[in-house]
Amino acid sequence: DAKTTQPPSMDCAEGRAANLPCNHSTISGNEYVYWYRQIHSQGPQYIIHGLKNNETNEMASLIITEDRKSSTLILPHATLRDTAVYYCIVRVITNAGKSTFGDGTTLTVKP
Amino acid sequence: GAVVSQHPSWVICKSGTSVKIECRSLDFQATTMFWYRQFPKQSLMLMATSNEGSKATYEQGVEKDKFLINHASLTLSTLTVTSAHPEDSSFYICSAGTQAYNEQFFGPGTRLTVL
Repeated sequence: DAKTTQPPSMDCAEGRAANLPCNHSTISGNEYVYWYRQIHSQGPQYIIHGLKNNETNEMASLIITEDRKSSTLILPHATLRDTAVYYCIVRVITNAGKSTFGDGTTLTVKP
Repeated sequence: GAVVSQHPSWVICKSGTSVKIECRSLDFQATTMFWYRQFPKQSLMLMATSNEGSKATYEQGVEKDKFLINHASLTLSTLTVTSAHPEDSSFYICSAGTQAYNEQFFGPGTRLTVL
């Protein structure tokens, strides 16, 4: 699985959009970009995933650059409950979900 | 989304004892389950991958005789920490997936404290 690079921490004001970047310059053509988050002392929670097109669901939007070497997770209106560690992972879709976690980004949403 | 449970949610044991942690997929059949360990302020580290009815595949550096994994059915996998020591104290998380899903579902985790 390709390696990802994320900033260690970010702050965001409550109600504003949170934009979390991820670099995955060695991504392979058959690898998807997945985002998870982990709230303190809980198991990770799936957020969104994509291959090359931008994706949106009820939680977030995922923007993947045309060359697929980086992506951005967007939380459109961050709330205090979005404070968590966010992990960007790239992996193939055929291995039943095996994921290698990097260090992630600690997002702190402030009032 | 699919639900994965873990039991117990926390456990405290004495050094030298063995502890079993259960991971269940509640509303789907998981052909593959994964076990992770997470130390404070660190990321998740994959320990092993287990497929129903076969031996688990352990990641490099993980002692298979110390961390026994059983995946006897499509909805249950167990991790037994044998002869636990204080350095085994950690947050253990399982996840479950199938080839049919594009995502894996994580359990809530089990906090193990070895005294």
